[in-house]
Amino acid sequence: DGGITQSPKYLFRKEGQNVTLSCEQNLNHDAMYWYRQDPGQGLRLIYYSQIVNDFQKGDIAEGYSVSREKKESFPLTVTSAQKNPTAFYLCASSILGRNTEAFFGQGTRLTVV
Amino acid sequence: DAKTTQPNSMESNEEEPVHLPCNHSTISGTDYIHWYRQLPSQGPEYVIHGLTSNVNNRMASLAIAEDRKSSTLILHRATLRDAAVYYCILSRYFGNEKLTFGTGTRLTIIP
Repeated sequence: DGGITQSPKYLFRKEGQNVTLSCEQNLNHDAMYWYRQDPGQGLRLIYYSQIVNDFQKGDIAEGYSVSREKKESFPLTVTSAQKNPTAFYLCASSILGRNTEAFFGQGTRLTVV
Repeated sequence: DAKTTQPNSMESNEEEPVHLPCNHSTISGTDYIHWYRQLPSQGPEYVIHGLTSNVNNRMASLAIAEDRKSSTLILHRATLRDAAVYYCILSRYFGNEKLTFGTGTRLTIIP
């Protein structure tokens, strides 16, 4: 079955450590996105990528980094520079250049301990 | 970026129709109107999208005002499984590379 997979589902991190969240899709989508969601809030865009080896900052990119070395993979690194990293992180993908639906993963809940 | 405005919350009785409104007064001519919904602790799920004409699919209907400054998502017969946060989003015609979500409408279904 085609889809988008995020791992792990739950992640705990000590303060001062970097951590990488995985996002993989087998839908052959060009565009991929990372969002952050805080309790009771909507989704905020962190980074997005439309093509391999290229990505753009979203609204809240500070303290995060991404890479897009393969079409199917778009990992997100939460660095120690991110002041409040505890949140629910969502990855999505879509066809580029056509106005169709975006597919979301089930999310990774990151907690800083 | 064009913004959308939605009520924070709504309630509806089970098995009755639900009309979820969205205002987008600064919409441009090439912006599509998308609706997604999110169940607790899950990723958002696509519901429907449209440009100018009303749209129907197996999940819902989308009614778009003639001036395109507002739209309404219609769930024809609400079930308990429709309880979710519903997001109204605008995206440009030539790609949806920046789907910008607001806080959405939390829909509660009363049995």
